[in-house]
Amino acid sequence: TQLLEQSPQFLSIQEGENLTVYCNSSSVFSSLQWYRQEPGEGPVLLVTVVTGGEVKKLKRLTFQFGDARKDSSLHITAAQPGDTGLYLCAGVSGGTSYGKLTFGQGTILTVHP
Amino acid sequence: SQTIHQWPATLVQPVGSPLSLECTVEGTSNPNLYWYRQAAGRGLQLLFYSVGIGQISSEVPQNLSASRPQDRQFILSSKKLLLSDSGFYLCAWSRGRLHGYTFGSGTRLTVV
Repeated sequence: TQLLEQSPQFLSIQEGENLTVYCNSSSVFSSLQWYRQEPGEGPVLLVTVVTGGEVKKLKRLTFQFGDARKDSSLHITAAQPGDTGLYLCAGVSGGTSYGKLTFGQGTILTVHP
Repeated sequence: SQTIHQWPATLVQPVGSPLSLECTVEGTSNPNLYWYRQAAGRGLQLLFYSVGIGQISSEVPQNLSASRPQDRQFILSSKKLLLSDSGFYLCAWSRGRLHGYTFGSGTRLTVV
């Protein structure tokens, strides 16, 4: 079973601060995705990274896929209260077309105004 | 555009009662479909996935079953619910392993 470990589990910061969430595994994934989820709703896809060493930016969010495709990070610059939510990383495994997603346990981010 | 519908949003059921949760996708054909369960607002556990009509793969042994009677319809069922079946159930679809998942809005199931 492929496992993804996310850290930290909880993060409580003030508006304007920077933060990084980590997602690590001992297994190689063909791609890795990051989702954000608000209470009572389904997760929403933020980004998919496919190539080892890949860096993607989405406004104040920067996503990085490790060279060995076993780890990833999400960095948020100048966090805002609207960034509050559950952040989930998920790795795609399997060589077939359907690609099952394995999720990390998530990071609960709270940004205080 | 593609949309995914999941219902009901909330459900309270007694132990031993049956369950049927429905998920439908619009705007695409032959999607890969998934049922996940999320405990206490944390990580998601894959329950079932389907790559085509009538094709169901189960990830974990459990009290639940899934069916795909039509291309864009995915149903999660149980004949007799257990207390441990309580949780937040999410349906999702994707085009394949290099594409992200689109999730439904979830069903909060409480077994009492």
